[in-house]
Amino acid sequence: DQQVKQNSPSLSVQEGRISILNCDYTNSMFDYFLWYKKYPAEGPTFLISISSIKDKNEDGRFTVFLNKSAKHLSLHIVPSQPGDSAVYFCAAKWGGGADGLTFGKGTHLIIQP
Amino acid sequence: EAGVAQSPRYKIIEKRQSVAFWCNPISGHATLYWYQQILGQGPKLLIQFQNNGVVDDSQLPKDRFSAERLKGVDSTLKIQPAKLEDSAVYLCASSLDLGGKTQYFGPGTRLLVL
Repeated sequence: DQQVKQNSPSLSVQEGRISILNCDYTNSMFDYFLWYKKYPAEGPTFLISISSIKDKNEDGRFTVFLNKSAKHLSLHIVPSQPGDSAVYFCAAKWGGGADGLTFGKGTHLIIQP
Repeated sequence: EAGVAQSPRYKIIEKRQSVAFWCNPISGHATLYWYQQILGQGPKLLIQFQNNGVVDDSQLPKDRFSAERLKGVDSTLKIQPAKLEDSAVYLCASSLDLGGKTQYFGPGTRLLVL
């Protein structure tokens, strides 16, 4: 059973436009959510995160929105740039002693010129 | 500041052989994680260490996988004997301490079992 779901395997967006990547989760115990970006042959790189006590977190061109009642979060990238082309993973964790991340399958974002 | 180091970057072995991966976390990071990423999937946690103690190994296939972090710094992950389905990228990550909000990943070791 997948506790973190990214239902879009790929997304194509024109340069300069907004990219919106979606993520759903099923486990209500999750209290912290992260987005990672991954280029080929590299490890995932931390992008932005949000605590369950917030509904929005912004960092430059990146904003993450959390809707707890819907168990849904989204990552907005504005404006999209060619260097944003990568695989984006949504991840979640809960407080407590063991805090390994539970990842979605990823969404491949392609920014078209 | 140096990132998480892993070696080797690539490994090809035949099934039933053994293999070991090495990880050196970011200096000062007490918590270390090993993840397995199968093609088309997200990373899956195998084991988590806090210093040299195991915090969570519930998803580690203990009949063939083992891991250690003897001095609380470097870590090795071993597979013996390997199966075809072990073909994956093995990612090491570290965070400052238990409950650390952000995990920093190494480049991974890509394993192909033939």
